[in-house]
Amino acid sequence: EDKVVQSPLSLVVHEGDTVTLNCSYEVTNFRSLLWYKQEKKAPTFLFMLTSSGIEKKSGRLSSILDKKELFSILNITATQTGDSAIYLCAGEWGGGADGLTFGKGTHLIIQP
Amino acid sequence: NAGVTQTPKFRILKIGQSMTLQCTQDMNHNYMYWYRQDPGMGLKLIYYSVGAGITDKGEVPNGYNVSRSTTEDFPLRLELAAPSQTSVYFCASRSGANVLTFGAGSRLTVL
Repeated sequence: EDKVVQSPLSLVVHEGDTVTLNCSYEVTNFRSLLWYKQEKKAPTFLFMLTSSGIEKKSGRLSSILDKKELFSILNITATQTGDSAIYLCAGEWGGGADGLTFGKGTHLIIQP
Repeated sequence: NAGVTQTPKFRILKIGQSMTLQCTQDMNHNYMYWYRQDPGMGLKLIYYSVGAGITDKGEVPNGYNVSRSTTEDFPLRLELAAPSQTSVYFCASRSGANVLTFGAGSRLTVL
């Protein structure tokens, strides 16, 4: 059974800290791995990763994929209170039509 | 540009009642999905559709039904609601690329 495991499940840090969120996966026919940020409502897209070793970056957020070791990390530097959210990792594999398989998420809280 | 629109946003049902969650997208996406999200459990796929007239079960389809008569609409039907169906439901869609666009969610409580 394909699955996605995120760690930690929750994390509390202070503003200005750097955090690393982890996502490991066990899949067949891997296609892509995605990161989403979920605040009070719907998840919003952050990154899509398909190739190993290529960092995707957007402002203070960055992510990288290791297809050999089957994991991805999401880094957030100089955290701000607005980064508080649930961060979801999701994998797409097989034919791709049946959507994404999500991990349980990491609940990140940034304290002022 | 509305994107994915879900209604209602909130609903309370009694055990055994039925209801339909509506989902409409205006992006001409072929693929549409229904997920449920329980606290601390991520999102679980209920049903999906790859185009009008075609639907298929996801990971947790029991107690639900869907239809896809048009490209735009993908309603989710709950028959004989049970407390285990208390959850937040998200509809999503995508085109050929695999980035999902989500609706704002529908919070359902079954008492």
